[in-house]
Amino acid sequence: DAGITQSPRYKITETGRQVTLMCHQTWSHSYMFWYRQDLGHGLRLIYYSAAADITDKGEVPDGYVVSRSKTENFPLTLESATRSQTSVYFCASSESGSLNYGYTFGSGTRLTVV
Amino acid sequence: AQKVTQAQTEISVVEKEDVTLDCVYETRDTTYYLFWYKQPPSGELVFLIRRNSFDEQNEISGRYSWNFQKSTSSFNFTITASQVVDSAVYFCALLKVSGYSTLTFGKGTMLLVSP
Repeated sequence: DAGITQSPRYKITETGRQVTLMCHQTWSHSYMFWYRQDLGHGLRLIYYSAAADITDKGEVPDGYVVSRSKTENFPLTLESATRSQTSVYFCASSESGSLNYGYTFGSGTRLTVV
Repeated sequence: AQKVTQAQTEISVVEKEDVTLDCVYETRDTTYYLFWYKQPPSGELVFLIRRNSFDEQNEISGRYSWNFQKSTSSFNFTITASQVVDSAVYFCALLKVSGYSTLTFGKGTMLLVSP
């Protein structure tokens, strides 16, 4: 189906483990984004990508790694998960020529680090 | 740097009341876009409206209306005759278009509409 999908929807992991959140979009949008949502903070940008192999840090990048070898995928990796990374993570994409239309968001991944 | 402020953390109203959600933004850019998103209890983010910085016309869509005032850097959202289904968290967001464009969100306002 067309759209933007995130997996898994829910994840529980232990402190210190590596975990990867997946994001896949079917529109061939150039731009992709990762946000985290926390109570009292709204949504904050972690990383974004303007195209395959082009990524840049957002507001809260520490502890996260991204890659984008293919236009349609933008995985987010927590190299050594910490409890402070317990959050809801949203992936989004946008067509490069129509950024004014805003983003389309995935359904989110709820990550709990114990 | 850009900033979006939603001063109302939580609002409670009774069904059929009108309610206004405030949004104030800061940006040095002259061209930008403003958005409102709705996040119902199910968790997804639903796009409601986009407004560019050169269009200060107010907009009405059914029970929803938006008031954009560049002079006060505000983009307020009013729900007329609120309904229980309007209960959600509402986010205001600002998109700059210079350089790499990124969307900056406010912290959100939780609206609770009771019957």
